[in-house]
Amino acid sequence: EPEVTQTPSHQVTQMGQEVILRCVPISNHLYFYWYRQILGQKVEFLVSFYNNEISEKSEIFDDQFSVERPDGSNFTLKIRSTKLEDSAMYFCASREGAEAFFGQGTRLTVV
Amino acid sequence: KQEVTQIPAALSVPEGENLVLNCSFTDSAIYNLQWFRQDPGKGLTSLLLIQSSQREQTSGRLNASLDKSSGRSTLYIAASQPGDSATYLCAVIGAGGTSYGKLTFGQGTILTVHP
Repeated sequence: EPEVTQTPSHQVTQMGQEVILRCVPISNHLYFYWYRQILGQKVEFLVSFYNNEISEKSEIFDDQFSVERPDGSNFTLKIRSTKLEDSAMYFCASREGAEAFFGQGTRLTVV
Repeated sequence: KQEVTQIPAALSVPEGENLVLNCSFTDSAIYNLQWFRQDPGKGLTSLLLIQSSQREQTSGRLNASLDKSSGRSTLYIAASQPGDSATYLCAVIGAGGTSYGKLTFGQGTILTVHP
């Protein structure tokens, strides 16, 4: 069964460092998303991406964040200068029809 | 702005009980509603998707209903088992404009089924 794959599963980084979280969406999907979940809180929308551009972003998604689809398969989230409050589980999702499919997440810990 | 609320926040039941989890949303202009399961520290597993034109969906022991006009959905779990213990998340999917396809999540119901 096709699935969304995220790497790494866990990343520890020092405050101020850049991180890139990687996702391989399901191959025929056209809509891509990043969400995050701070420990004990709701899953929050970050950004949606369609046709090689951002279609919507939340107020969380400031200039420190960027997304890219560098080739036909990968979808990345970059955080330029990480802060302690960026520590969270980051989920990638993709969709073609009605149903969204999520990856297993990357747990980002900023120290 | 869409707000999704889930009640109860936590539920503990003995094995075998039938139970109902509730989800409400403030903006009825939704495309779909999706129920997920999340195990501790893990990803989101889709359980059921209800399209806005449907009133319910069933998968095994799970049944989800949708009343779009009143902004409510319920997830019914029959004959609960300890393996059902997890957090259950409700998410609504925006219907139009830039919200198309974007999921707004509730805070979840933490379910514990004890033997």
